[in-house]
Amino acid sequence: GENVEQHPSTLSVQEGDSAVIKCTYSDSASNYFPWYKQELGKGPQLIIDIRSNVGEKKDQRIAVTLNKTAKHFSLHITETQPEDSAVYFCAALLRSNDYKLSFGAGTTVTVRA
Amino acid sequence: DVKVTQSSRYLVKRTGEKVFLECVQDMDHENMFWYRQDPGLGLRLIYFSYDVKMKEKGDIPEGYSVSREKKERFSLILESASTNQTSMYLCASSPTGTHTDTQYFGPGTRLTVL
Repeated sequence: GENVEQHPSTLSVQEGDSAVIKCTYSDSASNYFPWYKQELGKGPQLIIDIRSNVGEKKDQRIAVTLNKTAKHFSLHITETQPEDSAVYFCAALLRSNDYKLSFGAGTTVTVRA
Repeated sequence: DVKVTQSSRYLVKRTGEKVFLECVQDMDHENMFWYRQDPGLGLRLIYFSYDVKMKEKGDIPEGYSVSREKKERFSLILESASTNQTSMYLCASSPTGTHTDTQYFGPGTRLTVL
């Protein structure tokens, strides 16, 4: 979506290293930011989300950070494993989009064994 | 487990044909969505529905219509398919009427219009 920019578009990491994906949004009233993971041949699946009243959220090897002032949020995957290879989408609930989710363009993550 | 199923994984149609894409969810969810997924553009919302016989336009509704006659079923209709509608189509559902609910996606239908 044009109101959510996601970088990089592709990311290759060595197994065991960390991966970071960053998204920026334009609407300061946005308050909900989910991340979806899409494995080959499957539909996207929610892996973590964050709301605007917190700055960081963790779930095992994945974490999301939110900087409301700078209007960006990031997904961090630590100790990457081959099963982390997938396409990752960020999204934001934008007031400018009538409070519907707008998705980023996606990041293809490849974990090299 | 929530299950969202789509009628076809792959579909090939000719320009001008009427195309129906079907989606069924088994968790009594209120919301259902249709997205298209294109490289470099992410997921774009075509239509969504909060309830039976109710529909709302998403970001790119042109050339599409939808039907929700039963709560569990949401159909996407291409009245006259065109080559620029070649894409991956994803259906999703979520429990309630808010957009902060988790969306559960089907596996997608890859449509090719020749």
